[in-house]
Amino acid sequence: SQQGEEDPQALSIQEGENATMNCSYKTSINNLQWYRQNSGRGLVHLILIRSNEREKHSGRLRVTLDTSKKSSSLLITASRAADTASYFCATDAKGSNYQLIWGAGTKLIIKP
Amino acid sequence: GAVVSQHPSWVICKSGTSVKIECRSLDFQATTMFWYRQFPKQSLMLMATSNEGSKATYEQGVEKDKFLINHASLTLSTLTVTSAHPEDSSFYICSASTGDSNQPQHFGDGTRLSIL
Repeated sequence: SQQGEEDPQALSIQEGENATMNCSYKTSINNLQWYRQNSGRGLVHLILIRSNEREKHSGRLRVTLDTSKKSSSLLITASRAADTASYFCATDAKGSNYQLIWGAGTKLIIKP
Repeated sequence: GAVVSQHPSWVICKSGTSVKIECRSLDFQATTMFWYRQFPKQSLMLMATSNEGSKATYEQGVEKDKFLINHASLTLSTLTVTSAHPEDSSFYICSASTGDSNQPQHFGDGTRLSIL
């Protein structure tokens, strides 16, 4: 169930800077979702973007989706130390029985 | 928002013990629940998909007799690791779906299982 790729694998930036993470996938999708995972915890849903949408915002988060390139990006603006976490993209592939296909994740470290 | 409760949070037990992990959707009905395993610094690996009232569908390579899944109601699924051994030590996470493909899955906080 792991077919997506994310880059970078790890990203370390100063607090206040913007962080961009990318995700690529292989199949046709219904939607693409971004989740955050703090160390040793479960996953928290951030944004769901449907296949017919190109951009979506939620607070300091901005997600784009390019279905022609089968890729998505997650931008976190004005990063904070509390944003330190692993970020995963997941795609709900067509005909998948609600199963998600997960990217490998990006480990984001925000330095205070 | 939708809340999924998973417990226990962590378990340490001796080899040969069976361990049951519960996953409950507290404020919504979960037609489908998923069980994942996560190794350190890796992504989630789907173990099985469970639909209420029917047998779970296991991913290739996951032993059905080793990882027993029961989804007896729309709010509860359990994963039992039978006769656990040190190689079963891992982080297990459940998630629940309402069955609407345009709604996200909702995750429990995970269970850290350590087999001595």
